[in-house]
Amino acid sequence: SQQGEEDPQALSIQEGENATMNCSYKTSINNLQWYRQNSGRGLVHLILIRSNEREKHSGRLRVTLDTSKKSSSLLITASRAADTASYFCATGYNDMRFGAGTRLTVKP
Amino acid sequence: GAVVSQHPSRVICKSGTSVKIECRSLDFQATTMFWYRQFPKQSLMLMATSNEGSKATYEQGVEKDKFLINHASLTLSTLTVTSAHPEDSSFYICSAGRSGQPQHFGDGTRLSIL
Repeated sequence: SQQGEEDPQALSIQEGENATMNCSYKTSINNLQWYRQNSGRGLVHLILIRSNEREKHSGRLRVTLDTSKKSSSLLITASRAADTASYFCATGYNDMRFGAGTRLTVKP
Repeated sequence: GAVVSQHPSRVICKSGTSVKIECRSLDFQATTMFWYRQFPKQSLMLMATSNEGSKATYEQGVEKDKFLINHASLTLSTLTVTSAHPEDSSFYICSAGRSGQPQHFGDGTRLSIL
């Protein structure tokens, strides 16, 4: 597996707005995952999208995958203050490498 | 969902002390456990991968004699930071995984060496 790189590095929005984060990677993948990390805590697995899938939903989360562009996006709709966290993407199951993440701040 | 327990959550100790961190998968058997280190506002850096009953595989630049990893069972892995010094202060996170499944992470250990 190889490193995913998230973009933007930081994002600040108002509660109720949508937040979009992007992830790019360099080689072919079987799957891509998004994780959330609250400050001072471990990572929580949010959603996995397989290489043969283009879009996946889970509650307020929507993930897209474009294997031709080697990129993925995570959309959080109707954001809440509790969504404030860092978000990381990673590929594969073992040997996951994380980028610097996107630090999302949702202001109440 | 799968639960990984990491203990202790915070350690403050004097320079030269050895510190042991435990990582337990509570409701599944983890064939592989991973140890990461994270500096403030930075990403997780993989330190080592351990498989039950075998020696850990360390990433380049990680001193295996400094960071001792034991994976004695399918539910327990330990990381011992030997003779810790202030530069070892960091946030250490473990995760547990099994074949074909996403990793599940512990809540991390904040290590502060005085």
